[in-house]
Amino acid sequence: QVQLVQSGAEVKKAGASVTVSCKASGYTFSSYGINWIRQAPGQGLESMGWTSPYNGDTNYAENFQGRLTLTTDTSTTTAYMELRSLRSDDTAIYFCARAGVVGPTRAFDIWGQGTMVTVSS
Amino acid sequence: DIQMTQSPSTLSASVGDLVTITCRASQNVDNWLAWYQQKPGKAPKLLIYKASGLQSGVPSRFSARGSGTEFTLTISGLQPDDFATYYCQHYKRYPLTFGGGTKVEVK
Repeated sequence: QVQLVQSGAEVKKAGASVTVSCKASGYTFSSYGINWIRQAPGQGLESMGWTSPYNGDTNYAENFQGRLTLTTDTSTTTAYMELRSLRSDDTAIYFCARAGVVGPTRAFDIWGQGTMVTVSS
Repeated sequence: DIQMTQSPSTLSASVGDLVTITCRASQNVDNWLAWYQQKPGKAPKLLIYKASGLQSGVPSRFSARGSGTEFTLTISGLQPDDFATYYCQHYKRYPLTFGGGTKVEVK
């Protein structure tokens, strides 16, 4: 079945980096984009950015410019989210979701299960 | 950036009730609007795409309408499984933004 499976929970120190993976299966990976969304404890949803496995295009939310890198590996149908210079307010659940391949053309119909990232000082 | 504002933030309702949630966009998003349902500890689930399109597998008691800047999600005959938090989200252009959420709780 169509699914996105994310890597496990992470605990990091402030100032460190974290990489979360998102393995896609059940569909043609390069025909859809991947959007990353995070949710701080008890809070709402925040879109972080988008990447296209088709052509490598990316778009980053302004809040994360310079700290966030989104990549994909078509050989393993896996998307990656790297967030650097972690702060305590980066503590959140990070989700990947299937999105449009050339931009914001579709709603997020498939979501990963989420990865908890805890940043300690 | 396009701001999305949902109301109410919390809604108390009983099984069988008709429930309506409103979402307003600060700029025209045409019909590039989605609705999601989220339960505690789970990923959001897509209910509605393109303002009124019912996602496959979603019960027909969920409906939505609107375009431009005003949108509504309606649950006709609330079921026990529907107690959750609902989010709207525009996908008109980047940056994509979500509403603050509406928690539907037991009255």
